[in-house]
Amino acid sequence: DQQVKQNSPSLSVQEGRISILNCDYTNSMFDYFLWYKKYPAEGPTFLISISSIKDKNEDGRFTVFLNKSAKHLSLHIVPSQPGDSAVYFCAAMEYGNKLVFGAGTILRVKS
Amino acid sequence: DVKVTQSSRYLVKRTGEKVFLECVQDMDHENMFWYRQDPGLGLRLIYFSYDVKMKEKGDIPEGYSVSREKKERFSLILESASTNQTSMYLCASTPDYYNEQFFGPGTRLTVL
Repeated sequence: DQQVKQNSPSLSVQEGRISILNCDYTNSMFDYFLWYKKYPAEGPTFLISISSIKDKNEDGRFTVFLNKSAKHLSLHIVPSQPGDSAVYFCAAMEYGNKLVFGAGTILRVKS
Repeated sequence: DVKVTQSSRYLVKRTGEKVFLECVQDMDHENMFWYRQDPGLGLRLIYFSYDVKMKEKGDIPEGYSVSREKKERFSLILESASTNQTSMYLCASTPDYYNEQFFGPGTRLTVL
């Protein structure tokens, strides 16, 4: 059973608008969460992370929100740019070592 | 910048062959990981290592083994390749707990 779920396989957004990518998890022991971006034929690159003691973390155009009671996190990209088109993976960490990844969401930003 | 390199970008092997995938990181990281990425399944952890000569099974270790003789190098071995091991293989490293993992570019392995 998948412990980290990204229920939207794909998302299409107009350039300049907000992109919201969602992620749900089932394991209440997860205490650190990360988002990665992956272009075709490249390895994933780290975007942003959040500790379970916080509910928001912001870095430039990227903001991650964590709702522990709902076991839900989201990544907001504002404004979206064509170069943001990629696969986005949500990942969760337990006890500071192994990462558990979601299946990914393909984001397409249309110009 | 952290650099994680993988020995091959693309590899084609035949069923039953022994396959070695190598990963090298240049930042003296303690922890190294091997994942495979398949459509609709995300990244799944095969094996990881906390230190030289140490290894731990991940979520899908069957059909794989690993070797870490030096801190900077972590090898994934497919003892007898099968078609269901056709996948993208990704290596990663991280210096410590609660840190991002740095990924290599991946090896696209096709087993015929």
